[in-house]
Amino acid sequence: NAGVTQTPKFRVLKTGQSMTLLCAQDMNHEYMYWYRQDPGMGLRLIHYSVGEGTTAKGEVPDGYNVSRLKKQNFLLGLESAAPSQTSVYFCASSYSIFDTGGQKNTDTQYFGPGTRLTVL
Amino acid sequence: QKEVEQDPGPLSVPEGAIVSLNCTYSNSAFQYFMWYRQYSRKGPELLMYTYSSGNKEDGRFTAQVDKSSKYISLFIRDSQPSDSATYLCAMNPGGYNKLIFGAGTRLAVHP
Repeated sequence: NAGVTQTPKFRVLKTGQSMTLLCAQDMNHEYMYWYRQDPGMGLRLIHYSVGEGTTAKGEVPDGYNVSRLKKQNFLLGLESAAPSQTSVYFCASSYSIFDTGGQKNTDTQYFGPGTRLTVL
Repeated sequence: QKEVEQDPGPLSVPEGAIVSLNCTYSNSAFQYFMWYRQYSRKGPELLMYTYSSGNKEDGRFTAQVDKSSKYISLFIRDSQPSDSATYLCAMNPGGYNKLIFGAGTRLAVHP
């Protein structure tokens, strides 16, 4: 059981280049997320998915696209990289919302190890 | 103003000290409060999870929520060098899984 894995671990791009970050989870989670982490800013949600074939925008979606063709994979694409996209990118996954005694609850998000991206 | 405020530190304490980490928030709809621990160059991992107000204890860790003051705390007793990490608070109103994170507090526990 590998949990959440991310590839690649490191990448350096030139401005204008494109790339795709891959996230995979083997926990059969419904929800998947892409975050970026910058110094002093904490984790900010880029896009998320509530199930296979669905995606939605998060807090900072501009310049990124995502796809969830398979339940276990969530791809983050940068079509034309900019220096402002230099960051550490984390993928996370969780089960869907569940009810406990009629009370909706939220579930633990499991994070991958991150991808360090530098855009020159 | 950010929805969740957290002092970034760094916080440096001697081994054995009691550590207090805090976050304040502005959205009174938040009901679920979490603390994540993140070691250097690793992904965050869930440390504590609480619902609504009150205290929750797990070994050396205690999470405290004061909804009337919109203030949450994480206490670490008998701190160890292995506790050196960045601690992120996170919260949401429930009903869906979008978490709002604090910026994280970097903690160093020295022998």
